[in-house]
Amino acid sequence: GAVVSQHPSWVICKSGTSVKIECRSLDFQATTMFWYRQFPKQSLMLMATSNEGSKATYEQGVEKDKFLINHASLTLSTLTVTSAHPEDSSFYICSARHGDRAVGYTFGSGTRLTVV
Amino acid sequence: GDSVTQMEGPVTLSEEAFLTINCTYTATGYPSLFWYVQYPGEGLQLLLKATKADDKGSNKGFEATYRKETTSFHLEKGSVQVSDSAVYFCALSYSGNTPLVFGKGTRLSVIA
Repeated sequence: GAVVSQHPSWVICKSGTSVKIECRSLDFQATTMFWYRQFPKQSLMLMATSNEGSKATYEQGVEKDKFLINHASLTLSTLTVTSAHPEDSSFYICSARHGDRAVGYTFGSGTRLTVV
Repeated sequence: GDSVTQMEGPVTLSEEAFLTINCTYTATGYPSLFWYVQYPGEGLQLLLKATKADDKGSNKGFEATYRKETTSFHLEKGSVQVSDSAVYFCALSYSGNTPLVFGKGTRLSVIA
């Protein structure tokens, strides 16, 4: 149990286009999801906290107009990278916290975005 | 603010060697502590956790003890295998819907 499905696992897009990444909690309701970005050989940087039915809370330095987060239901949160540029190329990972404290956090498998 | 510091990598060990990856934390409260593992091209998997002082988390031969007096949560394994090659992240969190705070990660390579 407590599976988070993230799609796509990888995507290549042209500069200037937008890319949507989906995260679904398959067997539990995730009122809160977290979006992270990971550069090669570096740690995970928290981008934003996504709460179902309300606006996401972005970390300092993260452009909310560029990284649009929507959490319209208890099982789905999306991250849209708008007008992507090569510097947006990165590994994006979502995470949800299960209501059962014993389960804790569950991570998606990540999305490798390459902007050419 | 809260932070996690873990030893710089990469760490290269021979198979069956003893592993220690140091992790210390700075926290304003009483967090839970975690070790996550990331295999190449994948997301993170929980390896083990401890929720209060003196708790020992263990899984797959790995273990770590929550030491409040030294604010540490060092990861150990008595005999590593090639399949343990991955990046290991130490992290902390509090109750409620707060995000994990990660260390920078330590890359482990185990050679046969």
